[in-house]
Amino acid sequence: GQQVMQIPQYQHVQEGEDFTTYCNSSTTLSNIQWYKQRPGGHPVFLIQLVKSGEVKKQKRLTFQFGEAKKNSSLHITATQTTDVGTYFCAGAGGSNYKLTFGKGTLLTVNP
Amino acid sequence: SAVISQKPSRDICQRGTSLTIQCQVDSQVTMMFWYRQQPGQSLTLIATANQGSEATYESGFVIDKFPISRPNLTFSTLTVSNMSPEDSSIYLCSVTPEMDTEAFFGQGTRLTVV
Repeated sequence: GQQVMQIPQYQHVQEGEDFTTYCNSSTTLSNIQWYKQRPGGHPVFLIQLVKSGEVKKQKRLTFQFGEAKKNSSLHITATQTTDVGTYFCAGAGGSNYKLTFGKGTLLTVNP
Repeated sequence: SAVISQKPSRDICQRGTSLTIQCQVDSQVTMMFWYRQQPGQSLTLIATANQGSEATYESGFVIDKFPISRPNLTFSTLTVSNMSPEDSSIYLCSVTPEMDTEAFFGQGTRLTVV
């Protein structure tokens, strides 16, 4: 079945430093989604990437979808303490509504 | 979009008992999903709940342990049966109103089995 790998598992940064998490799927995806889960909270949708090579930005967050539609990355510029949480990628296979989640990257930010 | 009300938000249960978790959605959706998330871990799909048919379970999850009801297009329940401490986890319901679009999650049920 479809597998989605995500690295790193943990990342601790000083406030102001950049952060990147990477996702890689074992199969070609119809789209990839990114979610953020704050400590004690539930996953909240950030963005969806659909097109090969797509790049989207949300303020300090930059999302990329690989040319082969099998990998993706999330980059945060100049992290802030409000960025703390676990970032998950989730791949969609296209023929159903199911998502396969990566293991997530827990980001902690030292003020 | 979709707003999901999930309850209970947390519970502490005795081993051997069962707990039923409810999810109510503010709009009609075709599919609802039930996930388990162990502390510090990712989301593992338990089953997909379809209205009018039996739920579809993922590998490693069985109906006898996690019976699911889906009586209509806005509501579903997940029961965790004959609980053991290994069932201690966060259980989340989720909906994707349209195929290949964002998923919405309930607030989660934090279950502790003692």
